[in-house]
Amino acid sequence: QSALTQPPSASGSPGQSVTISCTGTSSDVGGYNYVSWYQQHPGKAPKLMIYEVSKRPSGVPDRFSGSKSGNTASLTVSGLQAEDEADYYCSSYAGSNNPFVFGTGTKVTVL
Amino acid sequence: QVQLQESGPGLVKPSETLSLTCAVSGYSISSGYYWGWIRQPPGKGLEWIGSIYHSGSTYYNPSLKSRVTISVDTSKNQFSLKLSSVTAADTAVYYCATSEGHWFDPWGQGTLVTVSS
Repeated sequence: QSALTQPPSASGSPGQSVTISCTGTSSDVGGYNYVSWYQQHPGKAPKLMIYEVSKRPSGVPDRFSGSKSGNTASLTVSGLQAEDEADYYCSSYAGSNNPFVFGTGTKVTVL
Repeated sequence: QVQLQESGPGLVKPSETLSLTCAVSGYSISSGYYWGWIRQPPGKGLEWIGSIYHSGSTYYNPSLKSRVTISVDTSKNQFSLKLSSVTAADTAVYYCATSEGHWFDPWGQGTLVTVSS
């Protein structure tokens, strides 16, 4: 099972929006509505930002939104803030033999 | 709320077995949920290692399955990871986390394990 494909980097100015893609196959992203997104600041543990494609856990700002089309999921951060600068990883369910597959990660820079 | 804390040796010799424990507080493991291990080599991405249900059912990453054992100790409210025959490629920050569904939340702070002689 290969890692899901994410762009290595993305950037935007404060107040702007940035969208990160996460491309898989029909065996993972395209086959289930079980895509999640994690934010990771340097030296810190990942934090859940989105689960089940578009649901936000309590406490996550509504500036963070998720969607999916076919084999590609997306995370959009609207109204970029300095504290949004971090690495972002997607993850998808990929069947009972390999339930969790992570993306390659995207570094978001706030210009 | 649920909190997780990893513990174990920070240095393991090649060919030996890496052993880590994750102590859970704020929730009884025997009540449910899945309990998992994820690792992150320095400067690289995340890799799921495996998960265990409170009943003891286990699920492993196929690429690591032959070397991984995850177990749960409900009396101590903790779960453990054993990874055998380690090499330098197993050097990573190891995280424990819980999953109510097909996502991980929350995560422990992580512990760096270095494989070196």
